[in-house]
Amino acid sequence: DGGITQSPKYLFRKEGQNVTLSCEQNLNHDAMYWYRQDPGQGLRLIYYSQIVNDFQKGDIAEGYSVSREKKESFPLTVTSAQKNPTAFYLCASSIGRQIAYNEQFFGPGTRLTVL
Amino acid sequence: SQQGEEDPQALSIQEGENATMNCSYKTSINNLQWYRQNSGRGLVHLILIRSNEREKHSGRLRVTLDTSKKSSSLLITASRAADTASYFCATALSGTYKYIFGTGTRLKVLA
Repeated sequence: DGGITQSPKYLFRKEGQNVTLSCEQNLNHDAMYWYRQDPGQGLRLIYYSQIVNDFQKGDIAEGYSVSREKKESFPLTVTSAQKNPTAFYLCASSIGRQIAYNEQFFGPGTRLTVL
Repeated sequence: SQQGEEDPQALSIQEGENATMNCSYKTSINNLQWYRQNSGRGLVHLILIRSNEREKHSGRLRVTLDTSKKSSSLLITASRAADTASYFCATALSGTYKYIFGTGTRLKVLA
């Protein structure tokens, strides 16, 4: 059963804490992405990775960090430097080899709330 | 500002009517995609149209692309209550693996 999973579904964090959001895919996709979605708004790109051990900043990378040690996994850490982290976080993947033909597959999302 | 901007921001129609959403973008693209999001869920890919295509159909969906105007439209025919969702366009920027999403159109189909 192929797909992309995110965990946890809901996450609560105290101010000043770092938290890590998990994203795993078994689609054998090269490219993976992290987006942030605020209520009633579109998606904003945080980080993306085209290949293992390589990643690039998106439009709103400040206060976030990622790693891509395995093809299947692309965890996102929300650090205490992120001033307003409460949001819905979406992970996605795509084949990545031919950009003109790629669709993205999304996970179910993690809703992060800072208490 | 975002690469893609949809309009209208919100649309409310009766079941059976057609729904049309528009998307505008600013730079050269490889393709344009439409996605659907039910409240609190991840996005689901609907249709992809490449930069050298002008129209594409998938079931009740029809997408057009006008690269000279940098715009696209999504038409949902014979809408159903289950079509109630937010719809986003996304553009794949030429030469990159980067996608830019629009702000979305919230569609409500009344039974």
